[in-house]
Amino acid sequence: AQKITQTQPGMFVQEKEAVTLDCTYDTSDPSYGLFWYKQPSSGEMIFLIYQGSYDQQNATEGRYSLNFQKARKSANLVISASQLGDSAMYFCAMRGYKAAGNKLTFGGGTRVLVKP
Amino acid sequence: GAGVSQTPSNKVTEKGKYVELRCDPISGHTALYWYRQSLGQGPEFLIYFQGTGAADDSGLPNDRFFAVRPEGSVSTLKIQRTERGDSAVYLCASSLTGTGSHEQYFGPGTRLTVT
Repeated sequence: AQKITQTQPGMFVQEKEAVTLDCTYDTSDPSYGLFWYKQPSSGEMIFLIYQGSYDQQNATEGRYSLNFQKARKSANLVISASQLGDSAMYFCAMRGYKAAGNKLTFGGGTRVLVKP
Repeated sequence: GAGVSQTPSNKVTEKGKYVELRCDPISGHTALYWYRQSLGQGPEFLIYFQGTGAADDSGLPNDRFFAVRPEGSVSTLKIQRTERGDSAVYLCASSLTGTGSHEQYFGPGTRLTVT
């Protein structure tokens, strides 16, 4: 079974500052992928960043970076230089590549509000 | 190019009625997924199609829920004898294949309200 835990239900961040969103996971699958999605108030899920369990380097995509600590089973998302448009729900998700099939398992999400 | 589309965007139905929710994936994507998102929660997996076949339907909550993808493109999620607990946003996603790092692209969802 797979489980994703996001312990921060909501966060405020000042515009132009960085914010870290926590994500821990649990799986028995030896090979897996970790994903972060953004869900604005419009409701659509927007893919942000991906990290494979065997990737040597932490993933980065523009202002998004993933702090992957495999031994701790954590995959925190860092958003640098926050913008007002970053205000949204953020979901961490994982996909096991062997036993668990291709479905994504999501955490409960963290709501981020960027203050001007 | 066009993203994943879902119709209707909103559906209000009475308890006990039958509903169909449609998903049109990105052209060329062989994998299609249905998720359900209740208020204040993350999406929960329902079913995954690879081509025309349901490769994993372990998330369907009971036999009132059924989904098809007869030609390997458009998919329909069917709910019989709807209950108030079925009220949620139903999200469809597609990916190029069902393996590896290919991210899933989500549609805007169908908000189902059962009264």
